[in-house]
Amino acid sequence: DQQVKQNSPSLSVQEGRISILNCDYTNSMFDYFLWYKKYPAEGPTFLISISSIKDKNEDGRFTVFLNKSAKHLSLHIVPSQPGDSAVYFCAASARPQGAQKLVFGQGTRLTINP
Amino acid sequence: NAGVTQTPKFRILKIGQSMTLQCAQDMNHNYMYWYRQDPGMGLKLIYYSVGAGITDKGEVPNGYNVSRSTTEDFPLRLELAAPSQTSVYFCASNGQGTGYGYTFGSGTRLTVV
Repeated sequence: DQQVKQNSPSLSVQEGRISILNCDYTNSMFDYFLWYKKYPAEGPTFLISISSIKDKNEDGRFTVFLNKSAKHLSLHIVPSQPGDSAVYFCAASARPQGAQKLVFGQGTRLTINP
Repeated sequence: NAGVTQTPKFRILKIGQSMTLQCAQDMNHNYMYWYRQDPGMGLKLIYYSVGAGITDKGEVPNGYNVSRSTTEDFPLRLELAAPSQTSVYFCASNGQGTGYGYTFGSGTRLTVV
């Protein structure tokens, strides 16, 4: 039972264009969502998060959008840079603070082409 | 640098052997976690801890044990290793009120043959 799904295993985008990574979830109890970025041989690094009381959160080149009715969130990266090439994981939690038992998607490998 | 330190980085075990994966954090975080990542899959929670002396099971705890005797350390014990435990193991921590997600270690790649 995959509660968090990233249906695109990979995505290729040209440098300078927008990258859009998608994530769907099924559990209505989730109210906090996060994106992590992972380079090879390293642990995931926190990128950006959003609470269910918001529909958008922006941090520099990264914006996360949340559509609660569709149980869908997306990460927009603009403009895309070569250093953005990594695996991106979407994660969800039923509580925003304290012990977060995160449920992760399978990941999307983003490749930025020069 | 402050963060989460995992050792070893790589290990090959024979079926039936045991080992302990070490995890230490120096950020005074209350909460610590162990996840495993199988190829093409997301991370799955094995065990977590909300403070010294308190641990609880995650989604996939079978075949593992944990202890938390100090705030800093959260070792993961594999007893009677099986090929199904071949995976990359990540330890993570977060503090009360951060809301910024976990700080992860760099992982331990374990192969059971």
